Amino acid sequence: GDSVTQMEGPVTLSEEAFLTINCTYTATGYPSLFWYVQYPGEGLQLLLKATKADDKGSNKGFEATYRKETTSFHLEKGSVQVSDSAVYFCALSGSNTGNQFYFGTGTSLTVIP
Amino acid sequence: GAVVSQHPSWVICKSGTSVKIECRSLDFQATTMFWYRQFPKQSLMLMATSNEGSKATYEQGVEKDKFLINHASLTLSTLTVTSAHPEDSSFYICSAPIAGGYNEQFFGPGTRLTVL
Repeated sequence: GDSVTQMEGPVTLSEEAFLTINCTYTATGYPSLFWYVQYPGEGLQLLLKATKADDKGSNKGFEATYRKETTSFHLEKGSVQVSDSAVYFCALSGSNTGNQFYFGTGTSLTVIP
Repeated sequence: GAVVSQHPSWVICKSGTSVKIECRSLDFQATTMFWYRQFPKQSLMLMATSNEGSKATYEQGVEKDKFLINHASLTLSTLTVTSAHPEDSSFYICSAPIAGGYNEQFFGPGTRLTVL
């Protein structure tokens, strides 16, 4: 079945460091891929998305490219800030999943000044 | 963008009581809504799919008599935790897709349930 495998955390970085959170997926068909962010005590917010191969999603300095050949959707940011501290979830959804989302386990990021 | 609200944002109840959580799509209609449960420091687990005008579809292992779902209108779904016990304490999140939105879903802010 469809699934998402996400880099385990927690991840601790200094401010202005480079961030990569790995995400790979298994899916039938052509799913859409998403990164959601969850701040403490809050619900999930869409960070970025990509709906087809080679699409690059970007938002707030974060980027991820839909790589069909490696079934990956790694999240990157060139210079993290303290305010980026949160839990990041990779997810997929597609026509074969009936709009259901499959989430990775989440990666906790802490950015220290 | 589309907004999904949940009410209440947190609730504390005694063991054995029932708690109702509302999920509303504020500026769009949702024939389908999803209910998730999230344990501390874990990912979201899909509990059930709520369908307007018909019965909800529950994931394997989720007790339908324990977690009652009613999709009363195109903008409202409710989750009732019946005879709650401490092990039901969790963060409950709902989501709703927008038709034609590349399967994108909008998530509610979540409801923190604590059963004493």
